[in-house]
Amino acid sequence: KNEVEQSPQNLTAQEGEFITINCSYSVGISALHWLQQHPGGGIVSLFMLSSGKKKHGRLIATINIQEKHSSLHITASHPRDSAVYICAVQETSGSRLTFGEGTQLTVNP
Amino acid sequence: NAGVTQTPKFRVLKTGQSMTLLCAQDMNHEYMYWYRQDPGMGLRLIHYSVGEGTTAKGEVPDGYNVSRLKKQNFLLGLESAAPSQTSVYFCASRPRTGLYEQYFGPGTRLTVT
Repeated sequence: KNEVEQSPQNLTAQEGEFITINCSYSVGISALHWLQQHPGGGIVSLFMLSSGKKKHGRLIATINIQEKHSSLHITASHPRDSAVYICAVQETSGSRLTFGEGTQLTVNP
Repeated sequence: NAGVTQTPKFRVLKTGQSMTLLCAQDMNHEYMYWYRQDPGMGLRLIHYSVGEGTTAKGEVPDGYNVSRLKKQNFLLGLESAAPSQTSVYFCASRPRTGLYEQYFGPGTRLTVT
């Protein structure tokens, strides 16, 4: 079993839909990261969370430390949101990230 | 600031050839990382460095070597390339230990035939 599990692996939505991507992990962490990777593109950091909730524009990330679970929500999805979304955990030991396999999101117009 | 840059962007090698991938960052970050990304798998850590002159093995270090002679540069070497090393390689950096984001380079697509 991977230390970081994401679901779903693939997600197709219509423009305007509300989207949720889930991440579960099995180790103690100091922070959880959500990253975005566009096709053929680099990887950018969206959020780093150690508790609670963060919002940036149409993106919202939440984390429940007790349940070892995080969600990434996209409101009013748009085709430009089509990308791979990656969850990564920073273990309490500190210097390294462990990554989930990613969720491929496609938003159709 | 250029952020994190990687050289080259693409490369095709024959089995047994050697090459070096260069990662450079201009943010004065202490920590630097090399990852590989393969279809159906998450990013996997090859080697990392927590400061100039230091390196450490990650999850998949076999077949690779690294050096961090200058704080801003982190080199990844393949001494004798194998087809299993066909992958996209990403470099990343972050300021130091603690709760900081990682900043990623644009990636290098390597094919070994």
